[in-house]
Amino acid sequence: DTGVSQDPRHKITKRGQNVTFRCDPISEHNRLYWYRQTLGQGPEFLTYFQNEAQLEKSRLLSDRFSAERPKGSFSTLEIQRTEQGDSAMYLCASSPSGGQGVYEQYFGPGTRLTVT
Amino acid sequence: GEDVEQSLFLSVREGDSSVINCTYTDSSSTYLYWYKQEPGAGLQLLTYIFSNMDMKQDQRLTVLLNKKDKHLSLRIADTQTGDSAIYFCAESNGMYSGGGADGLTFGKGTHLIIQP
Repeated sequence: DTGVSQDPRHKITKRGQNVTFRCDPISEHNRLYWYRQTLGQGPEFLTYFQNEAQLEKSRLLSDRFSAERPKGSFSTLEIQRTEQGDSAMYLCASSPSGGQGVYEQYFGPGTRLTVT
Repeated sequence: GEDVEQSLFLSVREGDSSVINCTYTDSSSTYLYWYKQEPGAGLQLLTYIFSNMDMKQDQRLTVLLNKKDKHLSLRIADTQTGDSAIYFCAESNGMYSGGGADGLTFGKGTHLIIQP
């Protein structure tokens, strides 16, 4: 098990362009989460999936953001018409089905997005 | 809304105990977590505690929870230079799942600085 992986690790784009990030969770983890982290802040929750179903979306997730997990395995996060305020580290986490209701979330290394 | 507060910095001497504190506002929090983030690295889950517990010990780590005061602490015994990192407190309230499966709410993190 190699842990949660994310691709790319770094992305530089011009304002107005679309970007897509990929996350591969730990195998057999049925829950997958997306967070955003800016400098000096803790991660902020964006959305999460249980298998292929998107169960929760934060109000931070504007209409320009869309996430998918089509086969219940990897997930993509797309940002359309990027703005400079979208510059951040985008983190993915996965968790197994929790015993006793606990769901330990394991994080990937993140994708750092810079919008110029 | 949910809020998690932490002191931004803590400086301790090598070999001493470190105590990192956290307060939260959501009285329905079910699980509380501690994560560690080293420079350039992803978030590492250290430990978690269920809200009906008041203490959990795991090797050098001791977590104390005062649910009445909504106060959580992480004690690191015999602090080493390798413990230098940012420590994040996080909570979940299981609003959607009844357990801890939902997105986590993080504090801004406490920078632990080790003095030789």
